[in-house]
Amino acid sequence: DVKVTQSSRYLVKRTGEKVFLECVQDMDHENMFWYRQDPGLGLRLIYFSYDVKMKEKGDIPEGYSVSREKKERFSLILESASTNQTSMYLCASSLGQSNEKLFFGSGTQLSVL
Amino acid sequence: TQLLEQSPQFLSIQEGENLTVYCNSSSVFSSLQWYRQEPGEGPVLLVTVVTGGEVKKLKRLTFQFGDARKDSSLHITAAQPGDTGLYLCAGKSYNFNKFYFGSGTKLNVKP
Repeated sequence: DVKVTQSSRYLVKRTGEKVFLECVQDMDHENMFWYRQDPGLGLRLIYFSYDVKMKEKGDIPEGYSVSREKKERFSLILESASTNQTSMYLCASSLGQSNEKLFFGSGTQLSVL
Repeated sequence: TQLLEQSPQFLSIQEGENLTVYCNSSSVFSSLQWYRQEPGEGPVLLVTVVTGGEVKKLKRLTFQFGDARKDSSLHITAAQPGDTGLYLCAGKSYNFNKFYFGSGTKLNVKP
């Protein structure tokens, strides 16, 4: 089975800090995604990547950036964390080539104080 | 604004009851997926429906894709406590290779 691993389950940061959320998948998937999940809003796409060093903006990219230096790793960066970025962050991957099944990590609950 | 609207938002029922969850949109999707998410975990894919009018069954769960490919429903027969979780629908757009998620239906099945 595919494993998508997110580095932290819980993270507490202060306003203005630079925050790194790491995600690693072990099945050589082409596509990787970052979502945030907020009550009543479902999952909203922040950024996604179809290949190493490629990135595309999702629906809510403001305040975030991403890095994909290696195929298996996709990092989400909050340049200067703000309280409205307190949320559950979910990383996902998919095989690509029209295979649409998303495999999710367990999530990182980020609190920005 | 949410591209996909799910209803109801919350559902609390007794074991053995039947239920239906709806996922509606004004947009047309190339495919639609249903996921279940348990507390502390990421969503797990249950099914993908691709053809308008398609019906798929997964044990006691029945999934239907609307004829116009704008809506979907999930019906659970004789719900069990193990069905408890957050159910999410996700539609794949034609224009962009990404999924739009609904806001979710939180189901609680009491023993």
